Amino acid sequence: GQNIDQPTEMTATEGAIVQINCTYQTSGFNGLFWYQQHAGEAPTFLSYNVLDGLEEKGRFSSFLSRSKGYSYLLLKELQMKDSASYLCAVRGKSDSWGKLQFGAGTQVVVTP
Amino acid sequence: DTEVTQTPKHLVMGMTNKKSLKCEQHMGHRAMYWYKQKAKKPPELMFVYSYEKLSINESVPSRFSPECPNSSLLNLHLHALQPEDSALYLCASSQDSRPGGAQEGSQHFGDGTRLSIL
Repeated sequence: GQNIDQPTEMTATEGAIVQINCTYQTSGFNGLFWYQQHAGEAPTFLSYNVLDGLEEKGRFSSFLSRSKGYSYLLLKELQMKDSASYLCAVRGKSDSWGKLQFGAGTQVVVTP
Repeated sequence: DTEVTQTPKHLVMGMTNKKSLKCEQHMGHRAMYWYKQKAKKPPELMFVYSYEKLSINESVPSRFSPECPNSSLLNLHLHALQPEDSALYLCASSQDSRPGGAQEGSQHFGDGTRLSIL
């Protein structure tokens, strides 16, 4: 089976940095995605990692360690609009290429 | 605004009704998906179409019937739904669903149809 764990909620102040961890145990690995979802809206793609290391995209960075089954999403210079749910999703073995297994999501609350 | 368009945005239907959800994308993506999402839960995959053929059915009840008329359109036909089927139904598309296809294949989601079953 597949198991993806991430914290339920995190709170941080505007301008700060928050790191959302995601650990996974999946049958096969073909990439890890991070999505942002505001309440009542569609998930939007943030980042993709398939090789070990750090991917940086502006204020957002994502890290992957395949040997540890671990990823994190780093949000820098937090803004109020960053309050949202952040979903970690893993693409498993290649015969289910289109299938993403989502974690339960981490609700990030940014306070003034 | 997203590049994946879903209609209607909201739908209220009785358990004996038949209705359809529609999804359209013009990004040239060849993989399209239906997800169901309950409040405060992650999206759950229902169906995957790759090159207009159904490639994954996650043991979805037959009261949900997907259809992919062409590479840009995806429908979800609903019949005899139950109250527990009330949820947000999300459509998504990506460049490729096949092994060895596009290396990233990030899925682009529509805004969803919020479905309520009376």
